[in-house]
Amino acid sequence: QKEVEQNSGPLSVPEGAIASLNCTYSDRGSQSFFWYRQYSGKSPELIMSIYSNGDKEDGRFTAQLNKASQYVSLLIRDSQPSDSATYLCAVKDAAGTALIFGKGTTLSVSS
Amino acid sequence: KAGVTQTPRYLIKTRGQQVTLSCSPISGHRSVSWYQQTPGQGLQFLFEYFSETQRNKGNFPGRFSGRQFSNSRSEMNVSTLELGDSALYLCASSTTGQGSYEQYFGPGTRLTVT
Repeated sequence: QKEVEQNSGPLSVPEGAIASLNCTYSDRGSQSFFWYRQYSGKSPELIMSIYSNGDKEDGRFTAQLNKASQYVSLLIRDSQPSDSATYLCAVKDAAGTALIFGKGTTLSVSS
Repeated sequence: KAGVTQTPRYLIKTRGQQVTLSCSPISGHRSVSWYQQTPGQGLQFLFEYFSETQRNKGNFPGRFSGRQFSNSRSEMNVSTLELGDSALYLCASSTTGQGSYEQYFGPGTRLTVT
């Protein structure tokens, strides 16, 4: 059973701090990794994708991938209250087109 | 460019009935995937269609089925509804099937089974 694991949280950080969200996956052949943000009552919104080992930066967001450790992370710099949401890690399985989702980490940014 | 649309947005059905949900992908996207989201299980993959063919299927019973039309619009059907089918059903579209990478979600259909 292919799995994607995330800490459920809640992860609480003060406004302006760095929030660090982590994800591990079981399918060693996975090649594509995604972070989605989901506000309460809304559908998931794609915020980052990463395919190669290392870091990928987009504005205040940085995704980090380490395939040897089967580990993906998302850093949010200068966290804002509007970043308060559930963050879902998703991994495309090596065999097909399905996205396997973690259960998400709830982030709360206090002002 | 318009996003993924899903209809209806909310639905209440009785146990034993069947239901059909509709999804229109982003223009130019040929792949449509369906997911079920519940508080306990999170987001779970149902199936994916590309060029009117089911390319991949998750671990759901045969009561869950789908299809895709030539204009890439997709429908999902659940027969003999059970209370446990109450969930948010999401569809997501992407530009290609095999090798597809980034999926964009619609607003979802909230199904309540009583």
